Amino acid sequence: NAGVTQTPKFQVLKTGQSMTLQCAQDMNHNSMYWYRQDPGMGLRLIYYSASEGTTDKGEVPNGYNVSRLNKREFSLRLESAAPSQTSVYFCASGPSVYEQYFGPGTRLTVT
Amino acid sequence: RKEVEQDPGPFNVPEGATVAFNCTYSNSASQSFFWYRQDCRKEPKLLMSVYSSGNEDGRFTAQLNRASQYISLLIRDSKLSDSATYLCVAMAGQNFVFGPGTRLSVLP
Repeated sequence: NAGVTQTPKFQVLKTGQSMTLQCAQDMNHNSMYWYRQDPGMGLRLIYYSASEGTTDKGEVPNGYNVSRLNKREFSLRLESAAPSQTSVYFCASGPSVYEQYFGPGTRLTVT
Repeated sequence: RKEVEQDPGPFNVPEGATVAFNCTYSNSASQSFFWYRQDCRKEPKLLMSVYSSGNEDGRFTAQLNRASQYISLLIRDSKLSDSATYLCVAMAGQNFVFGPGTRLSVLP
């Protein structure tokens, strides 16, 4: 039982490049989330998906897009990366909004 | 003002000590509250939910004061393995709001 998996673990991008962060869960959870974590700021919600086929903006959605491909997978896309998007990105899933299980994170550096 | 605030620490305590973390939240619509633990360079993991009546799980006790919009976590008889960052979470609607975390180092 892998839980929540994220790929890649590390990535370096140049300003203006695009990339997609992948997230998958094998726990049959309805809800999935994308967060970013920056020093001193705590985790901030970027987007979430309460169920397959729905997505909603969180606190910091600008510069990102998401796709809930199916119940298992929720991807985060950076269309034109900026240095301000340097961060650690966590995906999470949960059977409800009251309980979240996090993936191991992706460390992204934009130069 | 941040929606959820915590003392950043670090708290350096000897093994066996009792340590308390405080957290305040500004959104009075927050309905549910949690403590998460995050080890260095790892993902957050749920430690415990916080109920209005207060709740205990072994050496850990969580309390909520809605009138003061304040949450606390007490760790008794601290172990080396308790060293981590403790994140306070307030939930309003579908939105989890995390505090910046308080770092704890338990020293031998």
